Amino acid sequence: KNEVEQSPQNLTAQEGEFITINCSYSVGISALHWLQQHPGGGIVSLFMLSSGKKKHGRLIATINIQEKHSSLHITASHPRDSAVYICAVTLGYGGATNKLIFGTGTLLAVQP
Amino acid sequence: GAGVSQSPSNKVTEKGKDVELRCDPISGHTALYWYRQSLGQGLEFLIYFQGNSAPDKSGLPSDRFSAERTGGSVSTLTIQRTQQEDSAVYLCATPLGTGVGSPLHFGNGTRLTVT
Repeated sequence: KNEVEQSPQNLTAQEGEFITINCSYSVGISALHWLQQHPGGGIVSLFMLSSGKKKHGRLIATINIQEKHSSLHITASHPRDSAVYICAVTLGYGGATNKLIFGTGTLLAVQP
Repeated sequence: GAGVSQSPSNKVTEKGKDVELRCDPISGHTALYWYRQSLGQGLEFLIYFQGNSAPDKSGLPSDRFSAERTGGSVSTLTIQRTQQEDSAVYLCATPLGTGVGSPLHFGNGTRLTVT
């Protein structure tokens, strides 16, 4: 079993729909990251969370430390949101490494 | 520099040859990661450098892989006697801040193809 699980693996939505991508983890973490990778493109860091909720434009990320779960929401989705969304966790609390463990990603396709 | 720069952007090599991949991180950032992304696979941690501390090499898949970081800046990832399963995109990243779990800034990667 992967230490970081994402769902769904694939998601197709119509433009304008509200989208939710989920991430569950089974290890102790100090932070959780949401990353975005457009087809053929580089990886961009969207959010880094250690508690609560963050919002940036149409993107909202939440984390529940007790339940070891995070969600990424996209409001009023647009075709340009089509990308792979990756959840990653930073292990532990401090120490000599910030090693990240990645989920396998969610491929989102938003159709016009 | 203003961002994380990786070179070459693409590398095709014959099985058995050695390759060197370069990462030029954000100026002044003391931490640096190497990852790889194989076709159809997720991201895989390889190695982590933090200042003058001993690097965390726990992700290196075999002793054919090594990495060094000279002067706390540029890093090179070396793969000796390349195998076809080494084909992947090799990514370098540096944290944007200094705290644990700081957001990461990724380079565009080097696409390695071993024929």
